[in-house]
Amino acid sequence: NAGVTQTPKFQVLKTGQSMTLQCAQDMNHEYMSWYRQDPGMGLRLIHYSVGAGITDQGEVPNGYNVSRSTTEDFPLRLLSAAPSQTSVYFCASRPDRTSWYEQYFGPGTRLTVT
Amino acid sequence: AQKVTQAQTEISVVEKEDVTLDCVYETRDTTYYLFWYKQPPSGELVFLIRRNSFDEQNEISGRYSWNFQKSTSSFNFTITASQVVDSAVYFCALSEAYNQGGKLIFGQGTELSVKP
Repeated sequence: NAGVTQTPKFQVLKTGQSMTLQCAQDMNHEYMSWYRQDPGMGLRLIHYSVGAGITDQGEVPNGYNVSRSTTEDFPLRLLSAAPSQTSVYFCASRPDRTSWYEQYFGPGTRLTVT
Repeated sequence: AQKVTQAQTEISVVEKEDVTLDCVYETRDTTYYLFWYKQPPSGELVFLIRRNSFDEQNEISGRYSWNFQKSTSSFNFTITASQVVDSAVYFCALSEAYNQGGKLIFGQGTELSVKP
């Protein structure tokens, strides 16, 4: 199993550009989520999905869209990038929405918006 | 409201010293889960341990040990005889059992530097 994969690893955008961060998992996990990591703030939940076709907002959803058309993929879209979205983005998955399970994290995408 | 506080932003020790990373949490739920993750300089997040709110037994895994005390809402992490490879950022996290979406709330992280 590859686990959770994310592409790209690094990305530089100009303000106003849009892009999609890709996330895929091959563990047949129902639950997937996106976090952003900023210095001194830990990781904060952006959006999550409890299964294909079902998504919901997390703590910091503004400026981001998600969709879940398959169990495997959970892309994160930045609609119009802003410097405040400069961050490291982690995708994670776990078997289902049961909180007992630990989350499996991808390697992260480091995004810089200039 | 749920919250996790890791008051120690940075800790620096010399190899072979013992070090304790503090974690204090807030929740109104009676059923919840606590986690520790390690983020080495390479950047990935590595799961270390989870504990449910009904199990206050301390846990030891090699040089790592965890002390869960509901009375003080703390879930502290001790590394015995630290090594340079322990240098990383460590995150404590909380998830409430009946929280919508099973959200995981992270503390701010503690950066541990172990010097040779």
